[in-house]
Amino acid sequence: DAGVTQSPTHLIKTRGQHVTLRCSPISGHKSVSWYQQVLGQGPQFIFQYYEKEERGRGNFPDRFSARQFPNYSSELNVNALLLGDSALYLCASSQQGDVAEPQHFGDGTRLSIL
Amino acid sequence: EDQVTQSPEALRLQEGESSSLNCSYTVSGLRGLFWYRQDPGKGPEFLFTLYSAGEEKEKERLKATLTKKESFLHITAPKPEDSATYLCAVRGSNDYKLSFGAGTTVTVRA
Repeated sequence: DAGVTQSPTHLIKTRGQHVTLRCSPISGHKSVSWYQQVLGQGPQFIFQYYEKEERGRGNFPDRFSARQFPNYSSELNVNALLLGDSALYLCASSQQGDVAEPQHFGDGTRLSIL
Repeated sequence: EDQVTQSPEALRLQEGESSSLNCSYTVSGLRGLFWYRQDPGKGPEFLFTLYSAGEEKEKERLKATLTKKESFLHITAPKPEDSATYLCAVRGSNDYKLSFGAGTTVTVRA
């Protein structure tokens, strides 16, 4: 079975632009979460969605937004990009989004801001 | 706010030299402690979930244990393919996010 898939794998943008990252969860998984990982640090939580509803939001500015589609795939949007947004953006999925469930990660989108 | 601290930051081992990684945590109502392995350029790969103090889980050369304040990941007789960054994360009550530590980077020399 396919794992979590993310696209694109790499992306280069300039300051002020916007970007859309995409994620397809593991088949049968209904919950998707987004994380930002800066080099040398652990992933930081951005959003969690379950059945198209936002369940949680981390300490990120309103420039970050996301949504989940009826097929459970998800998009992360970032507007007005800053140099500090350069990072690996990870998507994770789980079956029900229950607090005790493990989350399974994709290999991420490497975003570089020039 | 949930806090996770991992030590050491880096660990260099000779093949066959067993060692342990530490994960200290502060969380309101632990619902799960998770260990992941991350290879360069890849996403974290799930290893274990521990739910309560005293619980232990094993997978090949890895064994994870949990107390009320910390977790240990023991690597027994490591091989070069065990080289990776090991991440620890916690989830608290009614909290859907994972809170991660910064990781321990393990390098195993042949």
